[in-house]
Amino acid sequence: QVQLQESGPGLVKPSQTLSLTCTVSGGSINFPGYYWTWIRQHPGKGLEWLGYIYYSGSTYYNPSLKSLVTISVDTSQNQFSLKLSSVTAADSALYYCARARQVVGYYYVFDYWGQGTLVTVSS
Amino acid sequence: SYELTQAPSVSVSPGQTASITCSGDKLGDKYASWYQQKPGQSPVLVIYQDTKRPSGIPERFSGSNSGNTATLTISGTQAMDEADYYCQAWDSSIPYVFGTGTKVTVL
Repeated sequence: QVQLQESGPGLVKPSQTLSLTCTVSGGSINFPGYYWTWIRQHPGKGLEWLGYIYYSGSTYYNPSLKSLVTISVDTSQNQFSLKLSSVTAADSALYYCARARQVVGYYYVFDYWGQGTLVTVSS
Repeated sequence: SYELTQAPSVSVSPGQTASITCSGDKLGDKYASWYQQKPGQSPVLVIYQDTKRPSGIPERFSGSNSGNTATLTISGTQAMDEADYYCQAWDSSIPYVFGTGTKVTVL
C-alpha cells in the first residue's frame, strides 16, 4: 500500500518561498507510469492542481502558477518537493501530495493522496 | 481558462438516488473523474475515465459524460456517502481542472 506524507513549515512569511517535501513509502518513486503531484485546497474551497513530476525529472505545471512553482524529485530518498516563490496570503492553503496513475495516454488520475499539510502565509 | 461548474449542494434521503452534475464546455469530449472528500480527510477517487470505478469503490457509484455535462450517480445512497464531491476534467489542451464541488447531504 503506497503512502505519502507531506512535511515542511506550517508558517511562511509573505514574499518568501514555501518549501514542502513529500515522502513516499510502500512503493518506489523510481517507477514508470506514475507522476508525483502537488495539489492545494484553500480553506473551505475546491482543489487546485499545481503540477507534477516524473521520476526522470520531467515536470508539468499549472500555467496559472508556472513561473512561481518548482517541483523536484530525489529518487534516492523516495521524495519529491514543492517550492512556491513570492508567496502571499492567497497561498495559505492545505497542500496535498498525490500519486498520479496513468490510465491511457497522457490521462492520469490521482489514486493515492497524503493527508495534507496546512501552510499559512503571514508575517 | 477552462471552468467546471457544480451545484453547491444536493440533498438526498437514505436509500434514494443522488445525481451530481458537472458542467463545462464540450466536457463530453474530455475524460471526467470524480473525487469524494469527507470532512477532515483527503480526496478519494470514485470514478475515472467517465464511467470506471476503482477497486474498492461500491457499485452504487456510477458515472456518465456527454455533451457539456458529466454526472455522478449514487444509487441507494447511504449515510456514509455524505461528503463533498469534485469533478475533474482532462484533455491534452488543459491542465487538471477541478470543479467547484458539491456537498451531498443525506437527510
